[in-house]
Amino acid sequence: KNEVEQSPQNLTAQEGEFITINCSYSVGISALHWLQQHPGGGIVSLFMLSSGKKKHGRLIATINIQEKHSSLHITASHPRDSAVYICAVGAAGNKLTFGGGTRVLVKP
Amino acid sequence: GAVVSQHPSRVICKSGTSVKIECRSLDFQATTMFWYRQFPKKSLMLMATSNEGSKATYEQGVEKDKFLINHASLTLSTLTVTSAHPEDSSFYICSARSGGGVDTQYFGPGTRLTVL
Repeated sequence: KNEVEQSPQNLTAQEGEFITINCSYSVGISALHWLQQHPGGGIVSLFMLSSGKKKHGRLIATINIQEKHSSLHITASHPRDSAVYICAVGAAGNKLTFGGGTRVLVKP
Repeated sequence: GAVVSQHPSRVICKSGTSVKIECRSLDFQATTMFWYRQFPKKSLMLMATSNEGSKATYEQGVEKDKFLINHASLTLSTLTVTSAHPEDSSFYICSARSGGGVDTQYFGPGTRLTVL
């Protein structure tokens, strides 16, 4: 069993729909990262959080430390949101452990 | 937010040559930098961890003589792929950690290496 599990693996949505991606982990962490990778390959750090909730534009990330679970929400999705979204967890001073990614396709 | 750059973004080279990839933290001092490799449609695989002024720590299965890492300053780490072969073709990504109390790590945009 992987230490970091993401669901779903693939997601197709219509433009405007609300999207949720989930990440569950089995290790103790100090921080959780949500990353976005576009087809060209470049990775963008969306959020780094250790508790609670963060919001940036149409993106919202939440984390529940007790349940070892995080969600990434995209409101009013747009075709430009099409990308692979990766959850990664890190313990203090240690390397990151990555989830397998969720491939999101938003159709116009 | 913090910015990490990589250069070049793309490189094509002939088999047998060496290629150097640079990773720079532009607006903070990175005590630790990480080098990752990503195969098509796969997640990132950590290759090595480099701390400024000391030798890199390589993950199991990564050839240290093949992938030379130098972290000479707090803002620059380099990965040199020596005697490149077609199987070294991949997407290489670095990240930099600022050394804050929380594990703040910022990713570079990646370098796509193609070895002919």
